[in-house]
Amino acid sequence: DAGVTQSPTHLIKTRGQQVTLRCSPISGHKSVSWYQQVLGQGPQFIFQYYEKEERGRGNFPDRFSARQFPNYSSELNVNALLLGDSALYLCASSLATNEKLFFGSGTQLSVL
Amino acid sequence: AQTVTQSQPEMSVQEAETVTLSCTYDTSESDYYLFWYKQPPSRQMILVIRQEAYKQQNATENRFSVNFQKAAKSFSLKISDSQLGDAAMYFCAYRRFYNQGGKLIFGQGTELSVKP
Repeated sequence: DAGVTQSPTHLIKTRGQQVTLRCSPISGHKSVSWYQQVLGQGPQFIFQYYEKEERGRGNFPDRFSARQFPNYSSELNVNALLLGDSALYLCASSLATNEKLFFGSGTQLSVL
Repeated sequence: AQTVTQSQPEMSVQEAETVTLSCTYDTSESDYYLFWYKQPPSRQMILVIRQEAYKQQNATENRFSVNFQKAAKSFSLKISDSQLGDAAMYFCAYRRFYNQGGKLIFGQGTELSVKP
C-alpha cells in the first residue's frame, strides 16, 4: 500500500502570493493532520480534519486554511505569504483521530 | 499548556555503542501519551516508540527503550547497539490522552550522529 503522499515536494513563492499544498492519506485513513516545521525546530500542529470536518486547530493566523475532500485527501492553503511561512509542511494520516499517525515526506515551501 | 523540552541539540555515538537522548515535559494532566519520532534526511517522521502515561512499565522496541519517570516528567530514549542507520533527528512528542484534534506537541529535536 502507498504511504501518505504530498505534492509538490518543493515549492518557491514570493511574498504576498497564495499557495495550496496537497495530501493523500493512506487508503482507509479518514483523518488528516497538518504540521509546519521551521528549520531547526520541531513540527507545530496546524489542523486536523476527520470525516471532512475540522477537529482541531493550532495557533496559526487565519491566512492558513484547510479542507478535506470526500475521498479523505486534503489541501492546505496559505494566503498572503510571508517570509516566515518558509518551512517544511508535513501531512499525517490516521485511521481515526486518536490513532497512530503516519507522516508523509512533506512539502518544502520557500517564500522569497 | 503542555511543553516538551529537549536540551541536547546534538549527540554523537560510536557504532555498536549505547546512547541516551533526554526529554522533559510539562503538563498538569495525569493521562497522556509520549512518543519518540525519528526524522532521517528523507524528512519523513517515523514513530520509534510510544509510552502510555498510565503504564508503569517502560516501553521497548527491539534496540530502543525508554526511561519514563512520571513524577520527574522525564522521558529519555536509549538506543542500544547503535547502527549507522540510526543517524537522524529525534523528536520527543506529547499528546493528550483525551485528544482534542490529533495535536502532537514536539520538542526542538536532537540530531544524532553515528560514527563508524
